[in-house]
Amino acid sequence: LAKTTQPISMDSYEGQEVNITCSHNNIATNDYITWYQQFPSQGPRFIIQGYKTKVTNEVASLFIPADRKSSTLSLPRVSLSDTAVYYCLVAPGGDSSYKLIFGSGTRLLVRP
Amino acid sequence: NAGVMQNPRHLVRRRGQEARLRCSPMKGHSHVYWYRQLPEEGLKFMVYLQKENIIDESGMPKERFSAEFPKEGPSILRIQQVVRGDSAAYFCASSPRPQETQYFGPGTRLLVL
Repeated sequence: LAKTTQPISMDSYEGQEVNITCSHNNIATNDYITWYQQFPSQGPRFIIQGYKTKVTNEVASLFIPADRKSSTLSLPRVSLSDTAVYYCLVAPGGDSSYKLIFGSGTRLLVRP
Repeated sequence: NAGVMQNPRHLVRRRGQEARLRCSPMKGHSHVYWYRQLPEEGLKFMVYLQKENIIDESGMPKERFSAEFPKEGPSILRIQQVVRGDSAAYFCASSPRPQETQYFGPGTRLLVL
């Protein structure tokens, strides 16, 4: 199973772009990279998923280099409401892809 | 389209009592997953169920814990004879198919006194 490593915490200010990088050196060929966001006292919320290169949606962008050993979640112009824990997950692939593996996540604090 | 619903949101039990946690998946989703989250930690997979079937319970303790997803009604995670170490947030997620995005409910916070 691919283990993920991400910073424990990050600080930012409103209006800035935030980039959270996740390392997954042992990622397998058929693994996807998924990011979830979790607010206090709530369940995780799906943000974005990708396999390679770049994926963008209305919330974030996900950059994945060619070797896929890392990925970067980019949040444009954060607001106070983006303060949350962000989890990087690598799906095990194949028949066990439903078994999401959450690490400790990155606690993002957005200051005014 | 209502999301995943869980109840109760908070549950207090004394040691030795039983805890029943309920989860109603999103409409159209027949795959349900339960996760447990201890304070300051990530979620840990417990069990995966389809209607009337347990597919994978590899993350669930062998004793005192059980889960079901009947043909009618919500999925239920049952913890018998609770101990203080069972205090945690329990999240349920659902998906239309097992390889697709899981959508999480708000969780049930269990406190064992």
